[in-house]
Formats: sequence, C-alpha cells, structure tokens
Amino acid sequence: DAGVTQSPTHLIKTRGQQVTLRCSPISGHKSVSWYQQVLGQGPQFIFQYYEKEERGRGNFPDRFSARQFPNYSSELNVNALLLGDSALYLCASSLSPTAGYTFGSGTRLTVV
Amino acid sequence: ELKVEQNPLFLSMQEGKNYTIYCNYSTTSDRLYWYRQDPGKSLESLFVLLSNGAVKQEGRLMASLDTKARLSTLHITAAVHDLSATYFCAVDKIWNSGGSNYKLTFGKGTLLTVNP
Repeated sequence: DAGVTQSPTHLIKTRGQQVTLRCSPISGHKSVSWYQQVLGQGPQFIFQYYEKEERGRGNFPDRFSARQFPNYSSELNVNALLLGDSALYLCASSLSPTAGYTFGSGTRLTVV
Repeated sequence: ELKVEQNPLFLSMQEGKNYTIYCNYSTTSDRLYWYRQDPGKSLESLFVLLSNGAVKQEGRLMASLDTKARLSTLHITAAVHDLSATYFCAVDKIWNSGGSNYKLTFGKGTLLTVNP
C-alpha cells in the first residue's frame, strides 16, 4: 500500500512568491494534518482537516491556508513568502482526528 | 499552552553503552509518541503510549510513560551506530474545548550520535 505522498520533494522560491504543497493520504484515511519543521526544531502544527473541513489551526499567520479535496488529498498554500518560511513541511494522515498518524516524506521549501 | 521538553538535546555515546532520553510535558496528555528522524528524512513512528505505566520495547529501545509525573523516557540499551538519529517525543492532546480534535506538540528533539 502507498504511504503518505507529498509533492514536490524540494522547492526553491523567492521572497514574496506563493507556493502550493500537495499531500495524498493513505487510502482510507480521512484526516490530514500539516506541520512545519524549521531546521533544528521539532515540527509545529499548522492545520488539521477532516472530511474536508478545517478542524484546527496552529499559530501561523493568515498567509498560510489549506484545503482538503473530496478524495481527501490536501493542499497547503503559503502566500507572500518570507525567508523564515524556509522549512520542511510535513503532512500526516490518520483515519480520524483521534487516530494515530503516518507522516509523509515532506517537502523541503527554501525561500531565497 | 502545552509545552514539551526533552533532555538532553545532544547525546554522544559509545557503542554498547546504555542511556535514557527524558521527555517532560506540562499538562495532561492523551497519547504520547516517540519518533525517529534521520537527516533530511521524515518522521518514523517508534512507539505510542496510551496510559500510565505503559511500557513498550522494540529491539534496543524501550519507552515508558508516567502520566502522574508527566514524564516519558526512551531507554537505549547497548547502543549501536545504526541508532544514530534525532529522536522526538510528541504529546497528542485534544486542544479545542468540547471538541474531538487532536494535535501533536513536539519536543525539540534529541540528536543521538553513537560512536564506535
């Protein structure tokens, strides 16, 4: 079975640009969460979606947005990129918001 | 706000030795996870601990949970080089009042280096 797949794996963007990251959960998993991991730190919660509804949002500015599609895949959008947005963005899927998590391999975003 | 603290943050040890990584958290938790992360890679789930006194073992790693002390430990027995990685503990907790939505709060991680 395919695990959690994220695309792209690496991305370089310029300050002020916009970026879209994609995540496909494990088949049957209806919940997707997004985490940001800055180098040398633990991941930080950005969003959780379940059944296409936003269930939670972490302490991130409005430049960050996300959505979940009918097939439960998800996109994370970041507008007006800052150098500080450079990080590994991890997607985690779970059967439900109360179940355990499986993480994807992440998207490494570099903002220059 | 839930805070998760790990120590040590850096651990250099020799092969064959034993050591323990500690994870303290500030409020009650619902689940506690231990993850392993290799450089540039994603998170690999090692253990999930659900209740007070829970102990789980896999190979040279053993994790335990004391919910009263709000403490989890990851014990490494007879370390080998392949265990070199960063280890994270993460606390899973309902975070919206009256809701059923969880989020993980991670510690800063412990960078473990096992030397021959």
